[in-house]
Amino acid sequence: GQSLEQPSEVTAVEGAIVQINCTYQTSGFYGLSWYQQHDGGAPTFLSYNALDGLEETGRFSSFLSRSDSYGYLLLQELQMKDSASYFCAVREYGNKLVFGAGTILRVKS
Amino acid sequence: DSGVTQTPKHLITATGQRVTLRCSPRSGDLSVYWYQQSLDQGLQFLIQYYNGEERAKGNILERFSAQQFPDLHSELNLSSLELGDSALYFCASSGNKREASDTQYFGPGTRLTVL
Repeated sequence: GQSLEQPSEVTAVEGAIVQINCTYQTSGFYGLSWYQQHDGGAPTFLSYNALDGLEETGRFSSFLSRSDSYGYLLLQELQMKDSASYFCAVREYGNKLVFGAGTILRVKS
Repeated sequence: DSGVTQTPKHLITATGQRVTLRCSPRSGDLSVYWYQQSLDQGLQFLIQYYNGEERAKGNILERFSAQQFPDLHSELNLSSLELGDSALYFCASSGNKREASDTQYFGPGTRLTVL
């Protein structure tokens, strides 16, 4: 079967760095995506890793280790607007996305 | 704004009814995906179409069906609605030949409430 594990909730202060981990068990793995979703809004694409290593996009970075079936999203210089849900999603054959349950990030001032 | 549009934004209907949700993909995108997001099930893949053909199926109920038209817009039909079908339904698109990646971009969603 397919399963993704990520923490249900993380709290951090403004300006800090936070890491959201994701472990997965799935067949037909092509890569790991990260999406951000504000309450009631559309999931917004943040990052994608097909190969091992770190991808950096501004304040956000994402890491993948295929041998460990593990990835993480790193958010730096946290801002209040970063308070949202963050989803890891495995890209399977045919570009189908299998989502984790999501991590609620609360940023405090 | 992702460039993916969905209508309607909100839909309230009764059990046993049938509704149609509409999605227009980003310009140039050939693939359309439908996802359901409910509180207890999270974001679940329903079905994918590529250039008018069904490409992949997920946890889609037999009461649900979809199609993609020649102009690439897609419709998701939900029939014999039950209370448990209340959810956010998202459409996503990808497959633009001008882009190297196959990133899925999500529309704003349709919130379906079944009373």
